[in-house]
Amino acid sequence: DQQVKQNSPSLSVQEGRISILNCDYTNSMFDYFLWYKKYPAEGPTFLISISSIKDKNEDGRFTVFLNKSAKHLSLHIVPSQPGDSAVYFCAARVRGGSNYKLTFGKGTLLTVNP
Amino acid sequence: ETGVTQSPTHLIKTRGQQVTLRCSSQSGHNTVSWYQQALGQGPQFIFQYYREEENGRGNFPPRFSGLQFPNYSSELNVNALELDDSALYLCASSFPGAGGYTFGSGTRLTVV
Repeated sequence: DQQVKQNSPSLSVQEGRISILNCDYTNSMFDYFLWYKKYPAEGPTFLISISSIKDKNEDGRFTVFLNKSAKHLSLHIVPSQPGDSAVYFCAARVRGGSNYKLTFGKGTLLTVNP
Repeated sequence: ETGVTQSPTHLIKTRGQQVTLRCSSQSGHNTVSWYQQALGQGPQFIFQYYREEENGRGNFPPRFSGLQFPNYSSELNVNALELDDSALYLCASSFPGAGGYTFGSGTRLTVV
């Protein structure tokens, strides 16, 4: 049972346009959401996060939106750059204790064309 | 400030063998987690260590075990390797309560 779902395996956009990556979750106990970017042969790199008590967090070109009622979050990248081409993972954390297990989606491959 | 380092980067083992993977945490981080990433999948949580004790485990059998040392470095041991254990193994360190987890580049394990 996949608790975090990224239904688009891939996305292709033109340089300068907006990239929107989507993520859905099923577990109401998730209290924190993170986006990671992964290049081949490298580990995931933290991009941006959002607490479940907020609905938006912005960091430069990256904005994450959280819709708790729909159990949906999205990552917006504006403007998209060729260097943004990578696999993007959505991850979620369950509240409680000192165990900070992350549950990941399968990832979305973003390709930004020059 | 050093990041998370993992060794080795690549490894080939035969089915039934045992393997040990190593991880050095980012400076100041006392919590270490291990993840398995199979091809085409997202990372799957194996277990987490905090203050040298396992304090959380995913759906992995007991032949997956670990250690955390006083300097917060960690090992992942896998016994009786199976073909399906072939994957990228990622180590992540963090500080309790912190939002971000710093990942290493991973160890690519191939079981033949």
